[in-house]
Amino acid sequence: DAGVIQSPRHEVTEMGQEVTLRCKPISGHDYLFWYRQTMMRGLELLIYFNNNVPIDDSGMPEDRFSAKMPNASFSNLKIQPSEPRDSAVYFCASSFLAGELFFGEGSRLTVL
Amino acid sequence: AQSVAQPEDQVNVAEGNPLTVKCTYSVSGNPYLFWYVQYPNRGLQFLLKYITGDNLVKGSYGFEAEFNKSQTSFHLKKPSALVSDSALYFCAVRVRDNYGQNFVFGPGTRLSVLP
Repeated sequence: DAGVIQSPRHEVTEMGQEVTLRCKPISGHDYLFWYRQTMMRGLELLIYFNNNVPIDDSGMPEDRFSAKMPNASFSNLKIQPSEPRDSAVYFCASSFLAGELFFGEGSRLTVL
Repeated sequence: AQSVAQPEDQVNVAEGNPLTVKCTYSVSGNPYLFWYVQYPNRGLQFLLKYITGDNLVKGSYGFEAEFNKSQTSFHLKKPSALVSDSALYFCAVRVRDNYGQNFVFGPGTRLSVLP
């Protein structure tokens, strides 16, 4: 398996633009997590899904953020409109049952 | 509240010396404990886990960790550090909360192995 695949790896956009980050989890995994990492705040959980159903979205910063998982092979995280304070590395991770997380390589977002 | 603490922001060790990166946890019930490593500009990589059984678990790259229930600790160790071990290390615990199963991560410890 190729592991968790995230795209794009880097995104530079201007304030107010819509940003879409994509994730393909490992086949057969039933949990999918979105994290955000910054120097100031460390690793923050944004939302996680179990069997494509959002379970806990209490970490989503505000209504500008949304995440969907339309099927077991794909999830996206959208920010609309984006703001400079959204600049961070966004990680997607998946796991099977209660096992370890497998992380993607991350999407580095810069909002100017 | 369920939490993971890594009391040291930074650990420095000379190459060839043993290293320890500390982790303590506070959870209800039996913990599932994990260590991850993050190299620059990369995602977190799984190193090892404790679910049940032997308190000493061995993982990737020669790392091991000891589960101590009485001290609620899960320290990461390696007998002989390499310069290439320099990275950011995260301890995590898998918990069952009101919503489902989740991970709680520590703040991370930056390990520098000096040649």
